[in-house]
Amino acid sequence: SQTIHQWPATLVQPVGSPLSLECTVEGTSNPNLYWYRQAAGRGLQLLFYSVGIGQISSEVPQNLSASRPQDRQFILSSKKLLLSDSGFYLCAWTRGRIGEQFFGPGTRLTVL
Amino acid sequence: SQQGEEDPQALSIQEGENATMNCSYKTSINNLQWYRQNSGRGLVHLILIRSNEREKHSGRLRVTLDTSKKSSSLLITASRAADTASYFCATDAFNYGGSQGNLIFGKGTKLSVKP
Repeated sequence: SQTIHQWPATLVQPVGSPLSLECTVEGTSNPNLYWYRQAAGRGLQLLFYSVGIGQISSEVPQNLSASRPQDRQFILSSKKLLLSDSGFYLCAWTRGRIGEQFFGPGTRLTVL
Repeated sequence: SQQGEEDPQALSIQEGENATMNCSYKTSINNLQWYRQNSGRGLVHLILIRSNEREKHSGRLRVTLDTSKKSSSLLITASRAADTASYFCATDAFNYGGSQGNLIFGKGTKLSVKP
């Protein structure tokens, strides 16, 4: 069966510090991978998606970047965090183009 | 602007009652999905309804889709306290600037079921 992991679960970082959030998927190959951010009480905003190794598409210009160094690994990064980067970050994967998305447990990021 | 908009934003009911949540969207879709999110957790897929379907059932869930009105509803029958969560609709809008299976999520309905 497939599983998706995210870490860390929670993170408190000072403004201006770097960020690295990791997402890994097990039990499937060549998944589409997604990073979302959810602000408090809001819906999900798609940040990045990837259809293969090294292939990253950005949906929203921002202070963040993403990388996919391996087939089932998706990393969200920042060189210098802003207060507005605080939120709940969710990773998800799909098989193919259309269908159910499977979400990870999320990372709660607080930038102080 | 959001593709999907749920209403109400919040809904509070007693255990045993039915809960109905609505979703409206703006453009043509391939399918519409409903997800559930417990507080502080990831989203869990509930049901997917294709654009050529009008109604779908899964256990205590009933989803309808009216493409002429660009709207969908999620009905949870005989609600339980464990149904307390936020519920989101998401559309796979093939001509809303999305590609590769991107979903456009609404802001969600926060359901509270009191025992």
